[in-house]
Amino acid sequence: GENVEQHPSTLSVQEGDSAVIKCTYSDSASNYFPWYKQELGKGPQLIIDIRSNVGEKKDQRIAVTLNKTAKHFSLHITETQPEDSAVYFCAASKVAGGYQKVTFGTGTKLQVIP
Amino acid sequence: SAVISQKPSRDICQRGTSLTIQCQVDSQVTMMFWYRQQPGQSLTLIATANQGSEATYESGFVIDKFPISRPNLTFSTLTVSNMSPEDSSIYLCSVVGRGGQETQYFGPGTRLLVL
Repeated sequence: GENVEQHPSTLSVQEGDSAVIKCTYSDSASNYFPWYKQELGKGPQLIIDIRSNVGEKKDQRIAVTLNKTAKHFSLHITETQPEDSAVYFCAASKVAGGYQKVTFGTGTKLQVIP
Repeated sequence: SAVISQKPSRDICQRGTSLTIQCQVDSQVTMMFWYRQQPGQSLTLIATANQGSEATYESGFVIDKFPISRPNLTFSTLTVSNMSPEDSSIYLCSVVGRGGQETQYFGPGTRLLVL
């Protein structure tokens, strides 16, 4: 089955600096890669996603890159703000049994220091 | 995206008892999923719930322990049966919209503590 590895497990940055979270996946059939942000006491919220036919996607301060050949993808947050502090999960998804089966990474706890 | 609510938001239960968690969506959805998130851990899929059919359970999860109902396209329940402290987790429901969309949207979760 699919295996998604995520690094680092914790990340502390100064406000205004950039943060980068990296993930690798094992199954070349995975074709959809969402990123979720989970704040304390809340459910995961989708912040950005990328499909396998795209190499990069950007949404304001957030960008995601995908290298299909190397099977890795990364989340980039620029100009970090204290409200970016949360746990971030990457995921790899493919069609299995008639629906998109999602495998999550282990999570990165991001702390933005004011 | 769909608006998803869960009840209860949190509970403290005694071992040996059962708790039923409800998931309500504001629109009709094809697929609903139940996840478990143990403290400080990632999300693990328990089962997939489709309306009008039996839930499909992942390896390590069984119907007797986690019975699921899906009576219509906007509602599902997950029961955690005969609870032990190891069942203390966050339980999350998620949905995928109709038409085979890829993105899963999550509810706020139910935080369960078993004593």
